[in-house]
Amino acid sequence: SQQGEEDPQALSIQEGENATMNCSYKTSINNLQWYRQNSGRGLVHLILIRSNEREKHSGRLRVTLDTSKKSSSLLITASRAADTASYFCATESYNNNDMRFGAGTRLTVKP
Amino acid sequence: NAGVTQTPKFQVLKTGQSMTLQCAQDMNHEYMSWYRQDPGMGLRLIHYSVGAGITDQGEVPNGYNVSRSTTEDFPLRLLSAAPSQTSVYFCASSYSGTGITGGRRGFHEQYFGPGTRLTVT
Repeated sequence: SQQGEEDPQALSIQEGENATMNCSYKTSINNLQWYRQNSGRGLVHLILIRSNEREKHSGRLRVTLDTSKKSSSLLITASRAADTASYFCATESYNNNDMRFGAGTRLTVKP
Repeated sequence: NAGVTQTPKFQVLKTGQSMTLQCAQDMNHEYMSWYRQDPGMGLRLIHYSVGAGITDQGEVPNGYNVSRSTTEDFPLRLLSAAPSQTSVYFCASSYSGTGITGGRRGFHEQYFGPGTRLTVT
């Protein structure tokens, strides 16, 4: 079964607003990654956060990780129409040599 | 660098036919994996490899075979295609961090190919 579950499934906002997506997972992890997928394309890596980190920033992206709650959030500030895409979290389980993805959040940013 | 390449981009098969999806990377990554993505869903792991000669099953391995004879190539074989295998298939690769023989591995970012859209009729 998939490890991560994103919430919400879909999010629609206006350009300039902030977008927050959440990811929950079930087992202990080594790291958690966020990816973006534009329609019909492959996934592109956004940010990686390790299990001993609580927050990371990359440009307009901010990721938090709460291992006690087994959850992570991705915040996109000052969103743009070009941010319209699906966003996925992926977890590397502590005990397995693989990465599991959630079902994704579909973000629509209206100009 | 070409990154991760996949061929073909599109394929239509009849039920019962077999075929191989090709995946190659030129970044000398130890770790390679195959995922399938169905409409409205995330990626589900089919098979993965932590290095040449080593493969393992993911979440949905039934009906698929893989091999890893070189670091660069990781082909996915459909043994006898079924309509349930209609999907978009993505190959990915990454560095594996601390090594492949034991201990915690610590993935780096995965690089994805453009995908193969497969239809089985």
